[in-house]
Amino acid sequence: GIQVEQSPPDLILQEGANSTLRCNFSDSVNNLQWFHQNPWGQLINLFYIPSGTKQNGRLSATTVATERYSLLYISSSQTTDSGVYFCAVGPGTYKYIFGTGTRLKVLA
Amino acid sequence: DGGITQSPKYLFRKEGQNVTLSCEQNLNHDAMYWYRQDPGQGLRLIYYSQIVNDFQKGDIAEGYSVSREKKESFPLTVTSAQKNPTAFYLCASRGQNRGGNEQFFGPGTRLTVL
Repeated sequence: GIQVEQSPPDLILQEGANSTLRCNFSDSVNNLQWFHQNPWGQLINLFYIPSGTKQNGRLSATTVATERYSLLYISSSQTTDSGVYFCAVGPGTYKYIFGTGTRLKVLA
Repeated sequence: DGGITQSPKYLFRKEGQNVTLSCEQNLNHDAMYWYRQDPGQGLRLIYYSQIVNDFQKGDIAEGYSVSREKKESFPLTVTSAQKNPTAFYLCASRGQNRGGNEQFFGPGTRLTVL
């Protein structure tokens, strides 16, 4: 089946710094989402982005489907950005496979 | 407000008991999902349902069962056959939003086997 790898596995930043999180996948996909899991376990939708580029405030994402990767950019990071960031890909219509996540800690 | 609710938030079970986790959505989504998350790990798919009265096994279905009698509801039963049921369980639904078919998640249920 499709493999999803996220890097880096852990990231520590000073408040105000920028970062790039990467998601590589081993086969073509129809669906791709980025999520933020907060310390209480809630998964928050960031982007639905099977291809192209989107921006939402300090966050933006780019998926290059032909090269099988997606990037999540966080600019001017804040302590509230801490948590785990997951990439989830769907090779078909309904089934999704999650990566193992990037654990981000932003220090004040 | 539209959303996904899961209950209970915390659940404690004795070994050998079956328990049922509730998941309800009022987003009018056809597809619903159950995932399991172990500490420090990603999410693994247990079961999913594309439509009422239909569901498919995910990657780790052994020891679990589901039903989908109503569009709004997708309960998960953790049976005594599940060898290591202590985990965080997340329910999701999927539907059209902002030009794409996104999954949306409930707040989760933390199950502990005593």
